[in-house]
Amino acid sequence: QKEVEQNSGPLSVPEGAIASLNCTYSDRGSQSFFWYRQYSGKSPELIMFIYSNGDKEDGRFTAQLNKASQYVSLLIRDSQPSDSATYLCAFDRGSTLGRLYFGRGTQLTVWP
Amino acid sequence: DVKVTQSSRYLVKRTGEKVFLECVQDMDHENMFWYRQDPGLGLRLIYFSYDVKMKEKGDIPEGYSVSREKKERFSLILESASTNQTSMYLCASSFVSGQANTQYFGPGTRLTVL
Repeated sequence: QKEVEQNSGPLSVPEGAIASLNCTYSDRGSQSFFWYRQYSGKSPELIMFIYSNGDKEDGRFTAQLNKASQYVSLLIRDSQPSDSATYLCAFDRGSTLGRLYFGRGTQLTVWP
Repeated sequence: DVKVTQSSRYLVKRTGEKVFLECVQDMDHENMFWYRQDPGLGLRLIYFSYDVKMKEKGDIPEGYSVSREKKERFSLILESASTNQTSMYLCASSFVSGQANTQYFGPGTRLTVL
């Protein structure tokens, strides 16, 4: 079993809709969870991270974490064509070595 | 703002050549990482370093070595480049935080080995 599984996509939503991206992880020792966005041909950039159960909101983005179910999601409200990208989830184990474990990503397309 | 730079955006080398990829960060981060990214395979960790002269193997270290002589600089070395090392190479750095070890990525180097 892979350590991080993301819904494989691609995901396609109309402009203005809510896009929901999901990620499950296998390691119960996971501490913090990250969402990165990667535009085609570019490097990943951090959207947000979450380490407590519940929701964390940042503008149009909401991360949701459920450690009991080993599940983390990212909701994008009022999706825009500029949100079209690949979204990577990752987690760390709280090690001082700083290693993150990445999923393979979900490609999102927002059509006008 | 955190800045991670990589020496080249595009690089073309021939099979058997020794290749150096350089990464520099300006935020005094302890940890630095080298990944390669291929379509359908996601990000794969090659090597990482948690201090000067300290290194750890990632998931795919074969065919690669690394060097970290100064805190801000982390080099990836392909001793004898092969065509299966054609890929996008991404460097990242992070600091140890009580909350999360956020990684910041450089722009990437697209390496083609002919």
